[in-house]
Amino acid sequence: GDSVTQMEGPVTLSEEACLTINCTYTATGYPSLFWYVQYPGEGLQLLLKATKADDKGSNKGFEATYRKETTSFHLEKGSVQVSDSAVYFCALSHTGNQFYFGTGTSLTVIP
Amino acid sequence: GAVVSQHPSRVICKSGTSVKIECRSLDFQATTMFWYRQFPKKSLMLMATSNEGSKATYEQGVEKDKFLINHASLTLSTLTVTSAHPEDSSFYICSAVPGQGSEKLFFGSGTQLSVL
Repeated sequence: GDSVTQMEGPVTLSEEACLTINCTYTATGYPSLFWYVQYPGEGLQLLLKATKADDKGSNKGFEATYRKETTSFHLEKGSVQVSDSAVYFCALSHTGNQFYFGTGTSLTVIP
Repeated sequence: GAVVSQHPSRVICKSGTSVKIECRSLDFQATTMFWYRQFPKKSLMLMATSNEGSKATYEQGVEKDKFLINHASLTLSTLTVTSAHPEDSSFYICSAVPGQGSEKLFFGSGTQLSVL
C-alpha cells in the first residue's frame, strides 16, 4: 500500500543554518506530494505541494522537488529562522482527500 | 484562511469512560471530514472518513463500535471514544474539506487523549 517515510527528529538548528528534511514515498501510480507544517497549538497547514514529477513546490523560502526516480520529496530551506520552529509532515494523496502522512519531524531553531 | 476548530485540545480520563471530541468548520461547510490518529513516533493514520448525513467509512483495523463518528451537520463532526482504555491514548486530529471536489484540506489542532 501507499506509505511515506520521513526523517526522524527532533532536529535542532541555529538560526540561518540550512535545513533538509528527507521524505521518501511508496505509492501506486502518480500521487501528489505535500509538506504540511504544524506550529505549536495550531492545526496542520499546507506548506507546499507538487502534483507531478520534476515539479518544485515552494513557499516561505521552503522548497521541495518531486523526484520520481528516487521517489523522494525532500524539504529544504537555505536559511532557517526561529519562527520556522514547528513539526513538518510529508504526505501523499491520489485524490486530494485521502492522505498518507509520515511521522512528522520536529524542528527547533535556536537564536 | 479557513479555520477548523477542534475541542478539547487535551483530555485525561479514567479507563472505561467515554470521551467525545468535536471538530467544527468555522467559516465553511464541510461535506467531508476525516479523523486521524497518531501514536508516538508513528505516522498520522487515517481512521475514518465521514460525510454529512451518512455513516462514516472506517479504515481497516479501526473498530467502528469503539470509535463512534457522527457528522450531523455541515459544520460539525464528533468522534466518541467509547469505553476508553490506556491503549487508546493517542493524538487525534480532524480535517475538513470545503465542498465537493475540493483539493483543499484544513486541519484542526488535535486532541491529546490520555487514558489512565
